[in-house]
Amino acid sequence: DVKVTQSSRYLVKRTGEKVFLECVQDMDHENMFWYRQDPGLGLRLIYFSYDVKMKEKGDIPEGYSVSREKKERFSLILESASTNQTSMYLCASRPPTEGFYGYTFGSGTRLTVV
Amino acid sequence: AQKVTQAQTEISVVEKEDVTLDCVYETRDTTYYLFWYKQPPSGELVFLIRRNSFDEQNEISGRYSWNFQKSTSSFNFTITASQVVDSAVYFCALSETDDMRFGAGTRLTVKP
Repeated sequence: DVKVTQSSRYLVKRTGEKVFLECVQDMDHENMFWYRQDPGLGLRLIYFSYDVKMKEKGDIPEGYSVSREKKERFSLILESASTNQTSMYLCASRPPTEGFYGYTFGSGTRLTVV
Repeated sequence: AQKVTQAQTEISVVEKEDVTLDCVYETRDTTYYLFWYKQPPSGELVFLIRRNSFDEQNEISGRYSWNFQKSTSSFNFTITASQVVDSAVYFCALSETDDMRFGAGTRLTVKP
């Protein structure tokens, strides 16, 4: 069964900490994505990657960075966590097919910054 | 820029009622794909359907049906004879290239 795995389901971090959210997929997909989900706002795209070492900013990249050193792994980094980054973070992957395929999503990481 | 609007924030129905979830999109591209996802209380988003911009044929899958109308830029989702297990947040999404934009979601509650 193909999967996107996010390393933590729940995470609590302190303001100012550097936070790493990890995502691994086993489908050999080129494209990987990070979204955050907030009530009333839906899913908003933070960053995405078309290939190893490549990254593109989404709609809300401020305060985040990403790393894609291997095809299967896409990490989201909060350089200095703030309380307004408390959210559900969703990772997804798909093949590079100009929009044809839907995403495969991970189960999400609920991050609380205190 | 692409945009997806789900005007209904929350809908509550009683079991066996029919319910329609609305989705309106904006895009400048002539080739694009529309999706619906379901997010049950467990949290993981589940793919329901994909439609491409050249196929306006409506689709039915069991109790689910989708109505795609390019003239009104809408891609509405109807659940017939709703069940408690249909309770979830439903997202409509639009994809022009390799990324995807989502609507804000509609929370559907089906009461017994």
